Amino acid sequence: DAKTTQPPSMDCAEGRAANLPCNHSTISGNEYVYWYRQIHSQGPQYIIHGLKNNETNEMASLIITEDRKSSTLILPHATLRDTAVYYCIVTVDKIIFGKGTRLHILP
Amino acid sequence: EPEVTQTPSHQVTQMGQEVILRCVPISNHLYFYWYRQILGQKVEFLVSFYNNEISEKSEIFDDQFSVERPDGSNFTLKIRSTKLEDSAMYFCASSEPTGGYPLANYGYTFGSGTRLTVV
Repeated sequence: DAKTTQPPSMDCAEGRAANLPCNHSTISGNEYVYWYRQIHSQGPQYIIHGLKNNETNEMASLIITEDRKSSTLILPHATLRDTAVYYCIVTVDKIIFGKGTRLHILP
Repeated sequence: EPEVTQTPSHQVTQMGQEVILRCVPISNHLYFYWYRQILGQKVEFLVSFYNNEISEKSEIFDDQFSVERPDGSNFTLKIRSTKLEDSAMYFCASSEPTGGYPLANYGYTFGSGTRLTVV
């Protein structure tokens, strides 16, 4: 998705916090930031979304900068099962997937 | 937790044959979607469906594709005359309405996919 920029891959040690960055400098005022992930060839899985405020749920936390031009998805205690491709999506409408970040959790 | 169910999980078909991929969305969801993922590539949007009609479709969704909600529970994707390049994982998704913005408060729930192999 041309609206977002994510690193192609990242590593994180098991048990540590995984911090996945996303740049979306052209985000407009009514667009949300969504995060999904895809484990191997399974269907994509919704993780979290936010507009302006930081958000937290049972899976992750989403930190959005004050200017909304970037965000970070935080998996607080990564496990091997969190190995997946993570997608940051900016939208007011349908979900369009980019290439995402391939997160490797190292034992 | 409610799930989106897709059948079959794997389908092999001969080039030129028609295939129908089936999906049972979550019961109270009103917005439905089909995506596909060619092996090794990104997930691509095909079509969205609301109120018994297509609300948006991509360039991929040409005249060979059609969608239908034949009853209150199923949502189908039909490919009329399959080509080798239609081989892919096909994912169905549904979402819950939030009053004008379907995504405003809830994410899409995706099924596990149907792997279509055209030979």
